[in-house]
Amino acid sequence: DIRMTQSPASLSASLGETVNIECLASEDIYSDLAWYQQKPGKSPQLLIYNANSLQNGVPSRFSGSGSGTQYSLKINSLQSEDVATYFCQQYNNYPTFGAGTKLELK
Amino acid sequence: EVQLVESGGGLVQPGRSMKLSCAASGFTFNNYDMAWVCQAPKKGLEWVATISYDGSSTYYRDSVKGRFTISRDNAKSTLYLQMDSLRSEDTATYYCARRGYGSWAFDYWGQGVMVTVSS
Repeated sequence: DIRMTQSPASLSASLGETVNIECLASEDIYSDLAWYQQKPGKSPQLLIYNANSLQNGVPSRFSGSGSGTQYSLKINSLQSEDVATYFCQQYNNYPTFGAGTKLELK
Repeated sequence: EVQLVESGGGLVQPGRSMKLSCAASGFTFNNYDMAWVCQAPKKGLEWVATISYDGSSTYYRDSVKGRFTISRDNAKSTLYLQMDSLRSEDTATYYCARRGYGSWAFDYWGQGVMVTVSS
C-alpha cells in the first residue's frame, strides 16, 4: 500500500492568514492526489483533484500543488467556514488517505 | 443534483452479518465506478471497496477480503455492501462515494451510515 504522511496533524491560524498543509507519499503517485474537507458530523467534500485542479464550486482561495511524492494544499485568506479537518488521498493505486489535519481558528 | 443516500446500519453482534445500501440519484449511475469508504470514530478515512460501472470488476482492502462483498443494481441505481463475519474493528461510519471521471478522486459522498459491532 502507498503510505500518505500528512502534516501537521493540527494547525491553529488567524482569520485572513495563509495556511499550508503537506502530504508526502511513500512512492511516486504521478499527481493522482485529491484533497478533501470534512466538517464535524459531515461527510468529506472534494476540494482538489489531480493535485492542482479545483473542484467545481470550491472557492478559489483553495489551491493545490506538487508532484512526484510531495504535495500541498494552500488556503489563502482563511475564513471562519474553513475550520475543518483536511485529508489528502492518493488514487494512483488502491486508494489511501493521509491521517488528516485539524484546522482551528486562533 | 447528485444524491447518495445510505441505509442499513445499526448495532450488530460480532460474527454476524449486515447489508448496507446506497441509493443514487441525479446522475447516470451506470456510467460511474462506485466505492465504500469507512471512518472509525474520531479516526481517519479508509477505503473499503470499489466496483466498476458495470459491476464486472471489484476491489477490496486486505482486511475485508473474503468477508465483505460490494455489488450494484444499475436498474435500481443502488450500491450495496454485504458485510459478513463482522468484527469489532469494523465499527465505523460507512460512506458511499462516486469515483469521478477524468480523475479517480471521490467527487460525491453520501451522508454516511453508522455500523457498530458489539456484543
